[in-house]
Formats: sequence, C-alpha cells, structure tokens
Amino acid sequence: QQQVKQSPQSLIVQKGGIPIINCAYENTAFDYFPWYQQFPGKGPALLIAIRPDVSEKKEGRFTISFNKSAKQFSLHIMDSQPGDSATYFCAASNLGTASKLTFGTGTRLQVTL
Amino acid sequence: EPEVTQTPSHQVTQMGQEVILRCVPISNHLYFYWYRQILGQKVEFLVSFYNNEISEKSEIFDDQFSVERPDGSNFTLKIRSTKLEDSAMYFCASSEVRQVGGYTFGSGTRLTVV
Repeated sequence: QQQVKQSPQSLIVQKGGIPIINCAYENTAFDYFPWYQQFPGKGPALLIAIRPDVSEKKEGRFTISFNKSAKQFSLHIMDSQPGDSATYFCAASNLGTASKLTFGTGTRLQVTL
Repeated sequence: EPEVTQTPSHQVTQMGQEVILRCVPISNHLYFYWYRQILGQKVEFLVSFYNNEISEKSEIFDDQFSVERPDGSNFTLKIRSTKLEDSAMYFCASSEVRQVGGYTFGSGTRLTVV
C-alpha cells in the first residue's frame, strides 16, 4: 500500500513536445506529491509539488495534474527543451505522520533537437 | 545557494568491510535523512534523524546500519559489514523543518562492494 507506481519507464520527445509522466498511489493517507528531477551524477532536486486540495499546479513550464478520486497524478512539461533531459521521479508522503518520501521508479526523459 | 555536501563521491570496498559515508547538511537544518538508489532503480528511504536520535527507519535499515551526528556539522552513515547488495548510490538530505518539501539532497556517494 506504500507503493507509488510510475510510467513510462522512458520517454523520447522532440524539442517543443509535451512529455507526460504518470503516477498512481494506493495509500489514501498520502497528502503531499512532489516531483523530483535528477541529472546524472547528481541528487534529486525538487521541481514542483502539489497537495490534494487542488487539481492542478503550474510553475513555469511544469504542470502537475492531480486526480484525487483516481489516486493519480501526472507531470506535464510544456515546450520541452534538450536541457530537460533527465530522470524524473514522482513521490508521495504524509506530512502529518511521516518525514519520509516514497518514490516512484523514475522516468528517463530524452528531449531531442 | 546552500548545499548538502557528501564525501567521498565514490567508495570501493571489499565485502565484509565497514564503511562510513559522510555528509555535511545545510547549517541551519535540523532534520537529516539517508536514502539509497540501487543502479537504475528508485530512490528508497533508509532513515531520518532529528535531535540526535532516529525518528524513523525503513526495513532496509537493519542492524548493520547506523547513523551518527558526531559533531555540529557532520552526519554519517555507517555500514558495519558490507554485502554485495549494499552497492548503490547513497544520498544524504536535510531539511529545516519536518517537511518533506524542504528537502535538499546531496550529490550522493556511489558505494561499490566487491
């Protein structure tokens, strides 16, 4: 019940395309859903996060869509650039009871010219 | 921008040996964490640490693992008797408050057990 399932495993889009990465969770106690971006040789860096009281959050070219009833959330990257090529992880936590993050399995994104 | 610093960046050790991975969290942060990432797999929580004691640990964090804050700046992860399956990237993180959104991760230590 603690799992966060992420898909696809890898994704190739052309520059300007809109990659979409999907995650699903089971634990209804989760109330915080961040996305992390990881470049090779670096630690994960927080990209954007959402709480379940909203259905969408935008920060620059990054948008999270959240469907509480389906227990799913997704990351959209508008006007993707080669510099966005990285591994993206979704994660979930319960801010009230736990300090840990449960990560998805990651999506390796490649944005081509 | 403040950083979490981890040393060494790469450690090779023989099976059965003890290793200590070191981290310098951001100076005003109070909560400290270790995560690990086996090559090509997801990032997994190991342990969280606050006020000089473990506040939460995963099933991975068994008796061969220990954490310590030996002084005011360092935060260490010790693996007492390394196994081949301990080979992974180990990430330290810190946060100012007990809030996962405030995490800053270090660049990691790649541990290779041979």
